[in-house]
Amino acid sequence: KQEVTQIPAALSVPEGENLVLNCSFTDSAIYNLQWFRQDPGKGLTSLLLIQSSQREQTSGRLNASLDKSSGRSTLYIAASQPGDSATYLCAAYTGGGNKLTFGTGTQLKVEL
Amino acid sequence: KAGVTQTPRYLIKTRGQQVTLSCSPISGHRSVSWYQQTPGQGLQFLFEYFSETQRNKGNFPGRFSGRQFSNSRSEMNVSTLELGDSALYLCASSSTSGGVKETQYFGPGTRLLVL
Repeated sequence: KQEVTQIPAALSVPEGENLVLNCSFTDSAIYNLQWFRQDPGKGLTSLLLIQSSQREQTSGRLNASLDKSSGRSTLYIAASQPGDSATYLCAAYTGGGNKLTFGTGTQLKVEL
Repeated sequence: KAGVTQTPRYLIKTRGQQVTLSCSPISGHRSVSWYQQTPGQGLQFLFEYFSETQRNKGNFPGRFSGRQFSNSRSEMNVSTLELGDSALYLCASSSTSGGVKETQYFGPGTRLLVL
């Protein structure tokens, strides 16, 4: 059974700082790893999807990496802004329809 | 293109009642998945429907059921509500089922409170 954990559970940083969010998964037989953002009381917004054959994906100030052998993914946010404050969730896809296994989330606060 | 829509957005029910939640996927998408989000358990997969057929089911009791219509709209039903069913229910749509390159698009959710 796939289990996904995220460390830290919460993070507070000053504006402008670069930061890394971590995601670990137990079953390395994944097809892809996805990162989502969730604002309070809202749905999820897809940020990046890394296929199992890829090592990293970039979108603007975001860069996500994937290391299947170690069961880890990281989300790097450059030059953080207050608008980046949200909960970040990673999700592993191991096949069998569209079932995603989500991590526990990291609540990020970027302060002025 | 309009995004995924869910109705209603908020709902208050009492224990023992039943509830039906609705999800309209992005136009052209044939897969709809449902998730339950609670502070204690996080996001958990309920089930997925693709072309009116249930493709996958999570580890939830039979009180949780769903269906999909020919226009890809989906409903989920929870019977005999319990206090622990209070949660944010999210649906997600995608054009395929099991596409490794394709993400899922989530709706804003229905917040259910059971008293």
